[in-house]
This record gives sequence, C-alpha cells and structure tokens, in this order.
Amino acid sequence: EPEVTQTPSHQVTQMGQEVILRCVPISNHLYFYWYRQILGQKVEFLVSFYNNEISEKSEIFDDQFSVERPDGSNFTLKIRSTKLEDSAMYFCASPLTSTGLTKTDTEAFFGQGTRLTVV
Amino acid sequence: AQTVTQSQPEMSVQEAETVTLSCTYDTSESNYYLFWYKQPPSRQMILVIRQEAYKQQNATENRFSVNFQKAAKSFSLKISDSQLGDTAMYFCAFMSNNYQLIWGAGTKLIIKP
Repeated sequence: EPEVTQTPSHQVTQMGQEVILRCVPISNHLYFYWYRQILGQKVEFLVSFYNNEISEKSEIFDDQFSVERPDGSNFTLKIRSTKLEDSAMYFCASPLTSTGLTKTDTEAFFGQGTRLTVV
Repeated sequence: AQTVTQSQPEMSVQEAETVTLSCTYDTSESNYYLFWYKQPPSRQMILVIRQEAYKQQNATENRFSVNFQKAAKSFSLKISDSQLGDTAMYFCAFMSNNYQLIWGAGTKLIIKP
C-alpha cells in the first residue's frame, strides 16, 4: 500500500519557537492536506495544497501557519511562534491514486502523524 | 455546509460480539465518498472501510461492513466477531468533491475480554 511519511514522529518545543513538520506524500499525487487533532477532540482540516499552491484553508490556518513544497517532494507545515494550544497531532494526507478526476481509487492516505507538544 | 455526526461518544461490547457504530451526514452533493477510520492509542489514522456514494452495494472488508443509506444520509459501521484489537477510536468521515475530509467527533469503542 502506498505510504505517506511524516517526520518527526514527536516534536517538543518551547512556546514561541518555530517548528517545521515534514511530510513526504505519495509520488504523482497532486493534492496534499494537513489536518490537526487536539488530544481528545475531533480531527480538524487545516489546509489543502494543489499544484504548489494553497487551494483552501480553514479559519485555524492563520498567519502563524505556512505550507510549502520546497524541493518538489517534501511538503512542510511551518508553525511560527508556537502557542500552548498548538499542541496536537498533525496529520499529512495525500488523496487520490491518479491525476484524473475519477474517484475510483480515492482514498486519503495518512501519514503516521507528528505529535507536537508545546511547553 | 457539510457535517458529519457520530451520536455515540463511547460503546462497549464483549469480545466476539457484533457492534454497530452510527454515523449520519449532511450534504447537497450527489457524488462523494464516505470513510471509517480507526485510531488506536498510537493515534495513527488507519482506514477501515470506504464507500462510494454512487454504489448501492454496501462495502465489506472482512469483519467490517457498512450499512449505507443514501436517502437517509446514514453510514453505519458493523464490526462482527469483535476482537480486543478493535479497541480504538472510530471516526466517520465524508470526502467532498474537493477531496477534503469532514470528520465526525468519533466513537470510542471498547472491546471487553
């Protein structure tokens, strides 16, 4: 089964510091997503990225957050000046198995997540 | 706006029993996907089963099956012969045309020995 790889698996950072979460999505996929799950709460959509641009973002995704694909393969989520409430699991997802618009093989392949702890 | 509702915060059954987790959703779209994800204590998100809205036949994956009622916008998950390893959080999710997932609040399933 195709794999989405996220690093690190666990990141501890001090409040106010910047963190970069990395994701290697499935090759040839064009859509990438970041989701967040605060402990004990539901999964929340952060941002979607298509063709090297943000295609949609939620209210959570404010100026503190940014995404980019610096080298055409890795997909990063940067959080500037982290806050205590940023502590959560962050999931990268890479849907679709082809570049076509058919949904025959649609599945959102998730990375194993990065557990971010802000202290 | 699309929404997903899981009305059972927690369920508990004996090992080997059958359990059904409920999920309802709201959308105006006619073509979409529905998913059940399992999240064990490791908090990794694992796909259990998926259903294409245009397919009338209910999806089945081994001990896992769904009861998809499109008109009622209902998508329940049935786990047969439940095992201790099935203990986890289960999330129902809806995928719209922009491939974004809309999530339910989750159901905590406990399988007792």
